[in-house]
Formats: sequence, structure tokens, C-alpha cells
Amino acid sequence: AQTVTQSQPEMSVQEAETVTLSCTYDTSESNYYLFWYKQPPSRQMILVIRQEAYKQQNATENRFSVNFQKAAKSFSLKISDSQLGDTAMYFCAFMKHWKGGSEKLVFGKGTKLTVNP
Amino acid sequence: DTGVSQDPRHKITKRGQNVTFRCDPISEHNRLYWYRQTLGQGPEFLTYFQNEAQLEKSRLLSDRFSAERPKGSFSTLEIQRTEQGDSAMYLCASSLAGGGQPFYGYTFGSGTRLTVV
Repeated sequence: AQTVTQSQPEMSVQEAETVTLSCTYDTSESNYYLFWYKQPPSRQMILVIRQEAYKQQNATENRFSVNFQKAAKSFSLKISDSQLGDTAMYFCAFMKHWKGGSEKLVFGKGTKLTVNP
Repeated sequence: DTGVSQDPRHKITKRGQNVTFRCDPISEHNRLYWYRQTLGQGPEFLTYFQNEAQLEKSRLLSDRFSAERPKGSFSTLEIQRTEQGDSAMYLCASSLAGGGQPFYGYTFGSGTRLTVV
């Protein structure tokens, strides 16, 4: 079974600074996806960024980027130029990839990020 | 299309009562997922459907839980004889899967918060 570990229950950052959230996972699969989801206080989960395990290049989406280390099974999220609207719970998630399509997500426990003015 | 809709947003029920939640996925999505999220935890997989077929159920889904997706459109999740331990946020998500295409992530609904008193 796959597991996802987020070792930082809470983090805070000053507005406009950079913060990195860590995530490690355990799997014997070779083909999979990794995701970061954001859950603001309104509670709807929003996809921030995704990474396909077979791709060496780290994914980026505007101010969000990841550092994917496949051998180390590490998948950290870097948020640059932090904004007040980035305040939320952030969940790292794993999904096995198979030919039939999407599968279930396995989530970490989350990191509560607070951006301070 | 307004995304994934869940109804009701909040439900308070007395222990022992039955409750039913509804999820309307994005219309062109063929997969529908139910997750449960307790306070301070990441979402945990409960079950998923491809069209009208229920393809997998978690061990978390006891005999008191049943889910349906008639005609492959909306889905309902029923909990019979509710217990205090059932208090949680119930999240629904949908995705378009299959055909060997890359997977771009789920779209989540806002959830139904259940409180059993």
C-alpha cells in the first residue's frame, strides 16, 4: 500500500517571501502521479500542481513549483512570492497510474500554511 | 457547467438516524469518487464509480454505508444508523478517465459536513 507523509503540520511565511512544503511517499509502483491540492477555509479542494513520475522535469504553475526526487521519493512544493490568498491547508497526494485511467488518491495529513501580512 | 455540486452543505442528525447525501459531477466526467475527511486529516477514499458501475469500495465503507450512481449521472451516499464516529466532511469528486490519456486531476465538490449528535 502507498503512504504519503507530510512532516510539517503547520508553517507560516511572510507575504512576498518563499516557502517550501515537504512531502515524502512510499510506493513500489514505477508509474504514478503526484499532486498538491490546496484546501482554503471554504473547504473546496483545488488542484495546485501535478507531476507525472516518468517525467524528469519538475512541474511549474506560475508561482508554484515542485522539486521531484524520484529516487528519494520526495515531492516538495515551493510557493514563491507568497500571497495572503495562499493561506490554506495543503495536501500532497499520490495516485497509481494504470492504463484504464484514474485511480484513487492517497493523501497526506496536510500542512496548514499561514501567510502573514 | 458549474463544477461538482454537493447537497446538503451541512447536515446535523441524531445518532441512529439515516442520512443521504447527493453529488452531481461535471456532466462529461465518467468517474465519480467519494472521500471522507475528519478534522486534521487528509481525505480518505471510500468508493468510486465508472459510469454506473461501482468499481471499488474501501474497507472504511462499513455495511451501514451504501452508494449508488444510477444511470451514471449523480450519485448518492447513504449512511444508515448513524454513529458519532461518522461525523466528518464527505467529499465528492469527478474525473474523466480512460483512453490512455494523461490524468489531470479530480474536480472536488465543496463537501457535505455531517455532525452526528
